[in-house]
Amino acid sequence: QVQLVESGGGVVQPGRSLRLSCAASGFSFSNYGMHWVRQAPGKGLEWVAVIFHDESNIYYADSVKGRFTISRDTSKNTLYLQMNSLRAEDTAVYYCARDGAVAHIYWYFDLWGRGTLVTVSS
Amino acid sequence: EIVLTQSPGTLSLSPGERATLSCRASQNVNSIYLAWYQHKPGQAPRLLLYGVSSRATGIPDRFSGSGSGTDFTLTINRLEPEDFAVYYCQQYGSSPLTFGQGTQVDIK
Repeated sequence: QVQLVESGGGVVQPGRSLRLSCAASGFSFSNYGMHWVRQAPGKGLEWVAVIFHDESNIYYADSVKGRFTISRDTSKNTLYLQMNSLRAEDTAVYYCARDGAVAHIYWYFDLWGRGTLVTVSS
Repeated sequence: EIVLTQSPGTLSLSPGERATLSCRASQNVNSIYLAWYQHKPGQAPRLLLYGVSSRATGIPDRFSGSGSGTDFTLTINRLEPEDFAVYYCQQYGSSPLTFGQGTQVDIK
């Protein structure tokens, strides 16, 4: 079954860290660029980060640059998001999403997970 | 940054009716780099259309997209019960990619 399953969300204090995981199955993970997208409560969707299929390029939204790190482990078919120095405004449901292109980046998302909730609160 | 404004915020329709959703960009969207997604509570968002009008795999032909420049439309012909959801547009022609705030399609 082709799917993405996120995990690792929870409640964390401001300034602390959290690592999200996204397990991919049913497709050739190594052939696809992967993204993280988030949705704050009552807000729209916000792109967070992308890692190319071959890890040749990584990009971040300005709002998380320098604090978040996206990575992938092809041997485990897993995408990660290391989130440091968390702020209240990082509170959101975090989705991992597959890019719509094979061995390229088209910057739209053809497969999404159900998301994991991150709450940053003291 | 390109701001996408979707209208209406909520659309109340009955099954079998046609839904017309608008997505207006604050500046021209580069070429045809616009996508539409469907999102139901607690579920993964689903890609409907990319490249303005190309349907994603498995998307029925009652979903269609049109537009260019700054004005784009998602049309859902003959609404089915499973079509009631939130719909988002997304532009990916300019950095940073951005999403609209969504249109909720409710059962009337």
